[in-house]
Order: sequence, then C-alpha cells, then structure tokens
Amino acid sequence: QLVLTQPPSASASLGASVKLTCTLSSGNSRNAIAWHQQQPEKGPRYLMNLNSDGSHIKGDGIPDRFSGSSSGAERYLTISSLQSEDEADYYCQAWGIGTQVFGGGTKLTVL
Amino acid sequence: EMQLLESGGGLVQPGGSLRLSCAASGFTFNKFVMTWVRQAPGKGLEWVSAISGGGGNTYYADSVKGRFTISRDNSKNTLYLQMNNLRAEDTAVYSCAKGMMTVSFMDVWGKGTTVNVSS
Repeated sequence: QLVLTQPPSASASLGASVKLTCTLSSGNSRNAIAWHQQQPEKGPRYLMNLNSDGSHIKGDGIPDRFSGSSSGAERYLTISSLQSEDEADYYCQAWGIGTQVFGGGTKLTVL
Repeated sequence: EMQLLESGGGLVQPGGSLRLSCAASGFTFNKFVMTWVRQAPGKGLEWVSAISGGGGNTYYADSVKGRFTISRDNSKNTLYLQMNNLRAEDTAVYSCAKGMMTVSFMDVWGKGTTVNVSS
C-alpha cells in the first residue's frame, strides 16, 4: 500500500533554509512524487515533480529558492532564503495504478 | 494561461445530491487526466477521483466509491463530479486539478468550491 508520511510541522527563520521530508512506504522507494504548496486561505499550487534520482521539474514561475532531492525512500523539498510568503502547508503526492495519494502535509512556520 | 474554475457547491442535507463542475481553459483539455481533490475543514488534501483524457477510465477513492461519479464533456472543456447519498463527512472544499497524460501528478489547480452537508 502506498502511504506518504510527513512531519506535521516545521519552522525556520526568515532568510534561512529549511528541508521538508516526505517518506514513501516500504516497497515504494523508487516512486516519483510531486510537491504542492498551499498558502493560507488559498488553493494548492504545484511546485515540482521529483524523481527517485533527485531530478526534478519545477512548475512555471516557481523560484530557484525551491529545490528537490531524494535519498532512498525519502523525498525532500528545500527552501532557501526563506520569505514570509513561504509560510504555508506543503504536501507531497504520489500515484499508483489508478490511484493518487497525499501525505498529511507539513505546516511551515517562518519565524 | 491555464485555468480551472469550479462551481456547483452549496449546502445539502445528508442523503442528498449535488453536481460539481470544473470549467477548463488554456490547454488541450481532452489530452489530460483530470482529478478531484477535497479538503475537509482543518484537514489535509484527500484525493477523490480521476478520469482519463478520453473519459473511458475512471478511478475513485474507497471513501466515495459507489456514491460519486466523475465524468467529462470534452466538447465543453468541462469536468464533473456527481455526488449522491452525501454524508456529513463529505463536507469539504472540492478542487479540480489538471494532471498529465496518465495518472500521476497534478500541475494546475482550481480554487475550489465548498460543499456543506448538514441538516
């Protein structure tokens, strides 16, 4: 069964960097995922598609401050030079045959 | 610019029905998988249903299987979600999203429409 696990919260200071984690369930370590951002009171926004080798393709207009990487079953989203507008919920998303699944989301607080 | 605009949400009693629509523009609609995702108040994103570009293949989350029906009218660039036998736990903001040519990730999202199931 495909399950994505994310820590519920993270925090970092304005101007610093933060690395968010999404863990794929056992047997799914080669799956690609996508990262989506949801700012307060807004709809989700696609950030990037991230492969198991760390290669990623970002959505239109996504700043260079956002990057992705992978290690085993872990998928990471790194945000550098944190800005106040980066305070949001971040969701990872994966897919199987005829199904799609989201992680529980990580609420990022910018201090 | 690719855009998705949902409509059709509202207040409905338990056991009632509602049909959501999602109007698409700015891309070749019939080439891409389309998806419905919902978000209950204070909760995370939940995948609901997806449909292939031609409409011949449909997929559902277990929580809605047998009650919800996804469909599309490619001549109108519109996606639908027919929701029957609604329950209180179906209360959520429902968003449509554009996918790729096969079921994978979504790269364009609508703003959502609110469904409130309550007596």
